[in-house]
Amino acid sequence: KAGVTQTPRYLIKTRGQQVTLSCSPISGHRSVSWYQQTPGQGLQFLFEYFSETQRNKGNFPGRFSGRQFSNSRSEMNVSTLELGDSALYLCASSPIPDRSSTEAFFGQGTRLTVV
Amino acid sequence: GESVGLHLPTLSVQEGDNSIINCAYSNSASDYFIWYKQESGKGPQFIIDIRSNMDKRQGQRVTVLLNKTVKHLSLQIAATQPGDSAVYFCAETPYNNNDMRFGAGTRLTVKP
Repeated sequence: KAGVTQTPRYLIKTRGQQVTLSCSPISGHRSVSWYQQTPGQGLQFLFEYFSETQRNKGNFPGRFSGRQFSNSRSEMNVSTLELGDSALYLCASSPIPDRSSTEAFFGQGTRLTVV
Repeated sequence: GESVGLHLPTLSVQEGDNSIINCAYSNSASDYFIWYKQESGKGPQFIIDIRSNMDKRQGQRVTVLLNKTVKHLSLQIAATQPGDSAVYFCAETPYNNNDMRFGAGTRLTVKP
């Protein structure tokens, strides 16, 4: 069974640009969560999608947005990039959006560098 | 455990020794606690979890202890191996969602 796939693995963007990151969850998983990881702030929750709907949202500005498609694949978008957006963006998938059955599985992440 | 900045707490142990990694959590309403392991260049990998109605849970070479009175979580690794070298994160979440709040992490180094 394939794991969580995130593309691209590495990305370099310029300040002010926008970027779209992609996440393909494990087959059959319907919940996708996004996290930002930086040395200064650690792992921080961005948002979670289930059945194409955003269920939860972390404390990030509106420049950060996401969506989920009918096949459960998810994308996140960051507009008007700032230097501080440089981070590892991680996607995690779960079968269902609660903890009754199993854990979340993380992808390898997309390393975004803003210059 | 909140992020403490660039420098992670570190734990260095000798191969074969037992390791204990600690974590303080902040939300008394959290119902579910998880330990993750992150190796360089990889995403976090699930190790073990525990519900708030338990105080101990054992896995293969790992044990998680939960003390709700002092909001403390620990991960014990028996007979630590070089392959256990990684950054370990604790996470807390309410039972019914995937909004995990992570601690700052502890870097475990195993010396041969």
